[in-house]
Amino acid sequence: QKEVEQNSGPLSVPEGAIASLNCTYSDRGSQSFFWYRQYSGKSPELIMFIYSNGDKEDGRFTAQLNKASQYVSLLIRDSQPSDSATYLCAVNDYKLSFGAGTTVTVRA
Amino acid sequence: EAGVAQSPRYKIIEKRQSVAFWCNPISGHATLYWYQQILGQGPKLLIQFQNNGVVDDSQLPKDRFSAERLKGVDSTLKIQPAKLEDSAVYLCASSLDQGGYEQYFGPGTRLTVT
Repeated sequence: QKEVEQNSGPLSVPEGAIASLNCTYSDRGSQSFFWYRQYSGKSPELIMFIYSNGDKEDGRFTAQLNKASQYVSLLIRDSQPSDSATYLCAVNDYKLSFGAGTTVTVRA
Repeated sequence: EAGVAQSPRYKIIEKRQSVAFWCNPISGHATLYWYQQILGQGPKLLIQFQNNGVVDDSQLPKDRFSAERLKGVDSTLKIQPAKLEDSAVYLCASSLDQGGYEQYFGPGTRLTVT
């Protein structure tokens, strides 16, 4: 099982701030990376994926990938209370290996 | 487009009993996955099907867990006999192809073993 490590939470940020989530992975050959959001009691939902080094932006979300450092991050800009959830990093090599997740709380 | 369907949503059983979960993937999705998510952890892949063939079951505890995918569509995951440590949410997901680049999850079945 490939290892995927996420920074331990919980992460509490004020409304409107930037939430920064980090993830490292063990397999240097990994090619694709995913961020899932999971609300309490719900199933994971895909919010972003990234394959290439650099940044990828989608609305208020930015994924950053650095394959040399085996590091992928997710930035949530202008955080809203509705962003309060657990964010799961996943590495895909024909099967998904998930990290344990980081719980984010956005306080109004 | 209908999502991934799972049933039951909740199940409480005693240890050593058996239980079965059902999943119906998104129409046209060839690949189906079963995950186990223990509280506070990320989902762990138990088994992956491509159509009705098993692609990966390396993390399936085969002494007690079994799964099948009938005619490449619906799937059933069974636990017999259940242990206390099997208490978890069992998630079914599907994707268009084996690369699994975009997996869509069902609502899950929350299993409590007492």
